[in-house]
Amino acid sequence: GDSVTQMEGPVTLSEEAFLTINCTYTATGYPSLFWYVQYPGEGLQLLLKATKADDKGSNKGFEATYRKETTSFHLEKGSVQVSDSAVYFCALSDPGGGADGLTFGKGTHLIIQP
Amino acid sequence: DAGVIQSPRHEVTEMGQEVTLRCKPISGHNSLFWYRQTMMRGLELLIYFNNNVPIDDSGMPEDRFSAKMPNASFSTLKIQPSEPRDSAVYFCASSDRNSPAHTEAFFGQGTRLTVV
Repeated sequence: GDSVTQMEGPVTLSEEAFLTINCTYTATGYPSLFWYVQYPGEGLQLLLKATKADDKGSNKGFEATYRKETTSFHLEKGSVQVSDSAVYFCALSDPGGGADGLTFGKGTHLIIQP
Repeated sequence: DAGVIQSPRHEVTEMGQEVTLRCKPISGHNSLFWYRQTMMRGLELLIYFNNNVPIDDSGMPEDRFSAKMPNASFSTLKIQPSEPRDSAVYFCASSDRNSPAHTEAFFGQGTRLTVV
């Protein structure tokens, strides 16, 4: 079945550092890929998405490129802020594989220190 | 739209009691999902509905769990009887299968359930 693997956390960085959170996937169909963010005590919010190979999703300075050849969707940001501290989830949706709903990675807790 | 609304936000109950979690999806959305989040297992899809009809409940852990969607604007997730291992945050999400972005799901703020 479908699965998402992302780097374990917590990831601790200093403010203005470069961020990469790795994400790889397996899917039977042609999935759409997502990054969701969860701030403390809140639900998940969509951060960015890409629906086909080579698409780049971007939002709030974050970027991720859909790489079919490496089955990856790594999240990057050039200069992180304290307010970026949250849990980040990589996810895929693969209706062509026979199921609705999102398959999530386990989440990466990001901590940004001033 | 106010987004996906879940209630209650927090629930503390004793083992053996019945627990009912509620969800109001975004108006016009025709898919609804229930997820459970724990430290050990992360986010798990429990069940989802399309047009109020349950499509896949293979993620429901046991017969103690049941979910209903009597109409397009309301769903419940019930646990009877509850056990301490059911303690988790339960999320409801909805999406519009008819839109080009149908795969994007919108989440509620979750219900934090503690069974003592």
